Amino acid sequence: GAGVSQSPSNKVTEKGKDVELRCDPISGHTALYWYRQSLGQGLEFLIYFQGNSAPDKSGLPSDRFSAERTGGSVSTLTIQRTQQEDSAVYLCASSLEGGGNYEQYFGPGTRLTVT
Amino acid sequence: AQSVTQLGSHVSVSEGALVLLRCNYSSSVPPYLFWYVQYPNQGLQLLLKYTTGATLVKGINGFEAEFKKSETSFHLTKPSAHMSDAAEYFCAVSDGNQFYFGTGTSLTVIP
Repeated sequence: GAGVSQSPSNKVTEKGKDVELRCDPISGHTALYWYRQSLGQGLEFLIYFQGNSAPDKSGLPSDRFSAERTGGSVSTLTIQRTQQEDSAVYLCASSLEGGGNYEQYFGPGTRLTVT
Repeated sequence: AQSVTQLGSHVSVSEGALVLLRCNYSSSVPPYLFWYVQYPNQGLQLLLKYTTGATLVKGINGFEAEFKKSETSFHLTKPSAHMSDAAEYFCAVSDGNQFYFGTGTSLTVIP
């Protein structure tokens, strides 16, 4: 079946502009995660959605970052007033359920470049 | 909070040699442990995971890892490296909610 998809694959934006990154999880997966991967860094947890529960936003680096998940499926990560330090690959992953013992399936990522 | 340490950001091995990628974690609860691989220009894919039961876990492509609670380690091994193993490897731990990833180890296989 289809895997996790993300769009766009690449995004170049000017400093100060807003960007929206989209994630389509695997159908039926209730858990959805967003991560940021910077050059030479590991994956930095951003936000976690599990079913209809309130999302775990503890990893969002600033109030310029927000995310929503509509209808328990598609998720959008929004970065307002982008800064150069926001340049990174943003990865989305989904799993059948949350709880840590279910495999995460990762999308190919969106490479964001802020000029 | 949990944390993951991967010793050696870059590891080089000769083709046919043993691969050993080190991972240590800190966790206040019994952890779930994972190794992921990322090939160039591709997404992460699961190599293997430990949740409960047998502490020696076998994964895809001949890789295995052993959970050693006393050492808080989950090192990844493969007896004989293949050129196709060249990739970035990430160790991760979950406390049942969030996932915490190491900074990755880039494996180079020398012909």
